[in-house]
Amino acid sequence: GEDVEQSLFLSVREGDSSVINCTYTDSSSTYLYWYKQEPGAGLQLLTYIFSNMDMKQDQRLTVLLNKKDKHLSLRIADTQTGDSAIYFCAETTGGFKTIFGAGTRLFVKA
Amino acid sequence: EPEVTQTPSHQVTQMGQEVILRCVPISNHLYFYWYRQILGQKVEFLVSFYNNEISEKSEIFDDQFSVERPDGSNFTLKIRSTKLEDSAMYFCASSKGTSGTPPDEQFFGPGTRLTVL
Repeated sequence: GEDVEQSLFLSVREGDSSVINCTYTDSSSTYLYWYKQEPGAGLQLLTYIFSNMDMKQDQRLTVLLNKKDKHLSLRIADTQTGDSAIYFCAETTGGFKTIFGAGTRLFVKA
Repeated sequence: EPEVTQTPSHQVTQMGQEVILRCVPISNHLYFYWYRQILGQKVEFLVSFYNNEISEKSEIFDDQFSVERPDGSNFTLKIRSTKLEDSAMYFCASSKGTSGTPPDEQFFGPGTRLTVL
């Protein structure tokens, strides 16, 4: 069945790059997403990548997709304290359902 | 900026009671969703709703659950005879219902924390 796995915690120093990793099982995924959740708020879509792409860059964010290994990563350059949040990897297969991972809590130390 | 709102932010109920979680989706959106997240676990899809019908549901969404759009603005999730294991954060989301690229973005509310005692 569909499953998305990601590590639960990541701690980085301010100014360093953060890399959050995710693996998924459904080879028919059409879109893969990264969502951000700040305390007390809902999930906010950060970026997405279509399954036929390898990389997408959006300002400080770089998404890499290795479709063969079913591995997705999110790199945040020059990480700031305001980037501290939970980051969710997610996928859809073209239907209405979005499958999420458990979220990676990013701690940014000043 | 339009946003999805949910009430209450925290609901405490006794096991066996019925609860209704409320959501106000973004006004021009056509698709509505409920997800839940048990503490420390994944965000799980429950149901999607379009044109006053359920369009897709997960195995979790059994006869204990129902959804309704009682008027032009609210979207509700009813949980009958709550169990301890229903304790979770419940997220509502809505989307415009566009197809193709970019994908149809789902906008999430802040969630309702349900605690079943």
